[in-house]
Amino acid sequence: SDVLTQPPSVSVAPGQTAGITCAGNNIGSSSVHWYQQKAGQAPVLVVYDDSDRPSGIPERFSGSNSGNTATLLINRVEAGDEADYYCQVWYTATDVVFGGGTKLTVL
Amino acid sequence: EVHLVESGGGLVKPGGSLRLSCVASGFTFSDYTMNWVRQTPGRGLEWVSSISLSSVYIYYADSVKGRFTISRDNANNAVYLQMHSLRADDSAVYYCAKAAPSTDHFDYWGQGTLVSVSS
Repeated sequence: SDVLTQPPSVSVAPGQTAGITCAGNNIGSSSVHWYQQKAGQAPVLVVYDDSDRPSGIPERFSGSNSGNTATLLINRVEAGDEADYYCQVWYTATDVVFGGGTKLTVL
Repeated sequence: EVHLVESGGGLVKPGGSLRLSCVASGFTFSDYTMNWVRQTPGRGLEWVSSISLSSVYIYYADSVKGRFTISRDNANNAVYLQMHSLRADDSAVYYCAKAAPSTDHFDYWGQGTLVSVSS
């Protein structure tokens, strides 16, 4: 199956912008979804269909997807954004792939 | 508010069986595909299985095909995962996840239930 590659970790100071990438072969032709998972909790959907936000997710969270890389951007990062973030693509009914996850540390 | 509550996890010996349950509330259960997704520290998140609205379409990851069976009871808003021939690498937190209307992602997750396979 396809592989989605994320950086293991990203660090950012409060108030700055964090960018988390998800690399995959021609990922721009697929819809990418992003999940936030805080320590000890279940994943929460934060961006779907590349750049849409579920209700209740702050506008600070945005996404883009083109070529071989999808990106989750978190503007004006807050301490509460510290979490693991996972990208996900549904290629076929039996090929649902998650990235390896990126640990976001707020300095 | 959507709630998904898993149960049934525990410690089981290799080769053993376990049945996970997930009870849903806060949405019209019979209108949505349901999934099981598992997570381990080493392999991250891994989709396991999905079942469509009326159980017509059922899919499994290759890693569990032939050993796991997903089912649902729309009258009781529940989805199940029957696991047989369990192996050490099946050890994980198992999440019940509701599919979004587009079915290509998961808009709500339960808190998970831990399955440990060890002698």
